[in-house]
Amino acid sequence: AQSVTQLDSHVSVSEGTPVLLRCNYSSSYSPSLFWYVQHPNKGLQLLLKYTSAATLVKGINGFEAEFKKSETSFHLTKPSAHMSDAAEYFCVVRGLTGANNLFFGTGTRLTVIP
Amino acid sequence: EPEVTQTPSHQVTQMGQEVILRCVPISNHLYFYWYRQILGQKVEFLVSFYNNEISEKSEIFDDQFSVERPDGSNFTLKIRSTKLEDSAMYFCASSEGRGLGLGDQYFGPGTRLLVL
Repeated sequence: AQSVTQLDSHVSVSEGTPVLLRCNYSSSYSPSLFWYVQHPNKGLQLLLKYTSAATLVKGINGFEAEFKKSETSFHLTKPSAHMSDAAEYFCVVRGLTGANNLFFGTGTRLTVIP
Repeated sequence: EPEVTQTPSHQVTQMGQEVILRCVPISNHLYFYWYRQILGQKVEFLVSFYNNEISEKSEIFDDQFSVERPDGSNFTLKIRSTKLEDSAMYFCASSEGRGLGLGDQYFGPGTRLLVL
C-alpha cells in the first residue's frame, strides 16, 4: 500500500532562513511523489513532483525536493523563507492502480516569522 | 490560467438532508476526482470518474454518495442523507489524463460542509 508520513505538524522559521519540511514514504514500487501547498481559502496547488526522472526536483516559488530511496524520504526545502510561504504543505503519493488517486500526508503548517 | 472552481464555498445543512456539491473542472480535462478532509485529519480520496463512470472509489464512498457529470462542464457530488460525520471540506480535482504529466491533478478551493 502507498502512504506518506509528514514528520512535523507545524514548522516555524524566520523570514530569510531555510525551510525544511520532512516527508517519508512507503511504497511497494517506485513511487510518484508530490508536494502540494494550500494557502488560506485557496485550493491545493501543485508545488513539484517526482516521477522517477531526476532525484532533485525543482518546483515553483524556489522550492525543491530530493528523492532519497535509501532513506525513503522526499523532504521539501527552500533556501530562504518568504512571508508569502506561510501555508499548509502536503506530501502526496500517487496510488498504484490505474485510477490515479492520491494519498495525502497529514500536512505541515509553515509559519514564517518576520 | 485555467482553474477548478467549486460552489458553494460553504454549506450548512441539517442531518438527513440531501446536499449537492458542484465543481467545474478545467475544460480539457477528462478525469475528475472528489476528496474530503475532516477537520484535523488528512485529505482522503473518495472517488475518481472518467468517461461518465466511476473508475475507482474508496471505502468511504458508500451508497449515500453519488457522482454525476450532468452536462459538459459540471461535476457533482451528492450526499443523499447527510450525517454529522459528513462534515468536512470537500475538494474537487481534475486531470487531463493519467500517469506522468497528464495525470497531475488540479484542485479547487473546496466546499466546507457543516452538518447540524
